[in-house]
Amino acid sequence: QLQLQESGPGLVKPSETLSLTCSVSGGSITSSGYYWGWVRQPPGKGLEWIGSIYHSGGTYYNPSLKSRVTISIDTSKKQFSLTVTSVTAADTAIYYCARQQLQLQIDYWGQGTLVTVSS
Amino acid sequence: QSALTQPASVSGSPGQSITISCTGTSNDVGDYDYVSWFQQHPGKAPKLMIYDVTNRPSGVSNRFSGSKSGHTASLTISGLQSEDEADYYCSSYTASTTLVFGGGTKLTVL
Repeated sequence: QLQLQESGPGLVKPSETLSLTCSVSGGSITSSGYYWGWVRQPPGKGLEWIGSIYHSGGTYYNPSLKSRVTISIDTSKKQFSLTVTSVTAADTAIYYCARQQLQLQIDYWGQGTLVTVSS
Repeated sequence: QSALTQPASVSGSPGQSITISCTGTSNDVGDYDYVSWFQQHPGKAPKLMIYDVTNRPSGVSNRFSGSKSGHTASLTISGLQSEDEADYYCSSYTASTTLVFGGGTKLTVL
């Protein structure tokens, strides 16, 4: 059974960089036909797709976040990562990592990790 | 990109059927059969209920069904049960090779 687990700091200061990692187990991160992505959910609000990466390194990003977001992948560690620069309180959210089909449809989710932006 | 449009809330009594709509445009729902539906209970990660508009993953009850007409996709839950009370989100692939979600619908089982 595929499992995804997010990890990273739960508190980030305004204007700094948010960094999270997703570890993949129970399946291959280099399988053809899948993207690996990030979704966030501010407290009490809806879901927002952040971006996705293929095992070869190709990426797609949400246009509204593209200038501040980078997603990378380390296939040897079976991990992919998210960085968001110049964070503000509006970036406070639960961040989920996910596996996506080629048309970006999500089929597996991590449990999510809360990141709070505060001084 | 604009979020897909869902009703903020729907409600129904146990045993009844309800339908949640998800309206997009010709750049997403209207042009692609890559619409998914997710169920999210409080404090939990979303769970995939429907993919490719009409398909149910293994283990999802056949009380959940999906459809699409034009720019609007729909999720129907028949034989409502108390455990169906949750938030529901739709998502769609877009012409810009992005993923867009609906704003979410809170289902209350009366």
